[in-house]
Amino acid sequence: AQSVTQLGSHVSVSEGALVLLRCNYSSSVPPYLFWYVQYPNQGLQLLLKYTSAATLVKGINGFEAEFKKSETSFHLTKPSAHMSDAAEYFCAVTPNQAGTALIFGKGTTLSVSS
Amino acid sequence: KAGVTQTPRYLIKTRGQQVTLSCSPISGHRSVSWYQQTPGQGLQFLFEYFSETQRNKGNFPGRFSGRQFSNSRSEMNVSTLELGDSALYLCASSIDRSRNYGYTFGSGTRLTVV
Repeated sequence: AQSVTQLGSHVSVSEGALVLLRCNYSSSVPPYLFWYVQYPNQGLQLLLKYTSAATLVKGINGFEAEFKKSETSFHLTKPSAHMSDAAEYFCAVTPNQAGTALIFGKGTTLSVSS
Repeated sequence: KAGVTQTPRYLIKTRGQQVTLSCSPISGHRSVSWYQQTPGQGLQFLFEYFSETQRNKGNFPGRFSGRQFSNSRSEMNVSTLELGDSALYLCASSIDRSRNYGYTFGSGTRLTVV
């Protein structure tokens, strides 16, 4: 069965600092992996996705993530945090077969201080 | 290009009642999935519809049902509401059942059961 673990339910950084949000997955088949962001009272916005092509994936708003099969990880990074990055971030996996059922991690709330 | 539209945005119902939520996908998208988001359980997959047929179902009781119309619009219904059904219900659409395209989420319907 597939699963996603996000380490750290809450991460705090200063504006301009590196953002690192951790995601580890478990999958018996090659996974497709996603990062979504959710702002208060809104739906989920896709930041980036890994679909078995390049292992380093660049997304919107300066975010990127690297797929590491040996570590079963897909951590999200951004070199310099902005106040507007404060939100909740979700990592998700879907097995490499037909169907659109996303399995989400519990989420990480990112706080950015000035 | 219009996004995924969910109506209504907010809903208050009484325990024991039933409720119907609506989702209009992005034009040209034929796959619609539904998710329940609660503080305790996080984001959980409810079901997926494609070409008016349910293709995938999550682990929810039969009180939760849905359907999809020929124009790809989808509705989900919850009968005999329980307090625990209070949640944000999110709809996601995709071009088809391939995971290559990712999924676009609506802003959700917040259901409160009293």
